[in-house]
Amino acid sequence: AQRVTQPEKLLSVFKGAPVELKCNYSYSGSPELFWYVQYSRQRLQLLLRHISRESIKGFTADLNKGETSFHLKKPFAQEEDSAMYYCALVDRGSTLGRLYFGRGTQLTVWP
Amino acid sequence: NAGVTQTPKFQVLKTGQSMTLQCAQDMNHNSMYWYRQDPGMGLRLIYYSASEGTTDKGEVPNGYNVSRLNKREFSLRLESAAPSQTSVYFCASNERRSGANVLTFGAGSRLTVL
Repeated sequence: AQRVTQPEKLLSVFKGAPVELKCNYSYSGSPELFWYVQYSRQRLQLLLRHISRESIKGFTADLNKGETSFHLKKPFAQEEDSAMYYCALVDRGSTLGRLYFGRGTQLTVWP
Repeated sequence: NAGVTQTPKFQVLKTGQSMTLQCAQDMNHNSMYWYRQDPGMGLRLIYYSASEGTTDKGEVPNGYNVSRLNKREFSLRLESAAPSQTSVYFCASNERRSGANVLTFGAGSRLTVL
């Protein structure tokens, strides 16, 4: 079974502070991991894919297979980063591409 | 613009009423999904469809039915709405491209059941 855990429902930081949103996963196949972001009253948008090893809006996420984690990090948080963040996993062995989501972390960046 | 379109955006129902949420995508994706989003619960998969003509249950299928009418359209039906189905519903489609999954979401449909 595939599972995604985001231990923090709420996370608050001040502008300019580093931020880390935690994500741990368990899987029985070969996972593909994502971070999705949902700004207030907007649709979910893809933020990062681990397969791309990219940095988007200053965010990075590294897949740690030993710790089965895919934490999202940004060195200097901005007010516009305030949003709901979801970690998600796809079984890469599945042609369906079914996505399993964590419960989300609401990030608030205070001025 | 290419993407996933959901209708309606908002709907209020009385307990026992029925309704259908419509979803269409114009990206020629094979897989389509319906999720519900509830506070503290994240996104939970209701039903999904790997291709035209096939549908499968997700985590929370009870009280819902779906139809994959063609490759573009995937509808979600509530036959007898209950207050527990008050939620925001998201449709999504998925394409596997260059070994990676590319998922696109609709804007959501906010449903209130009184």
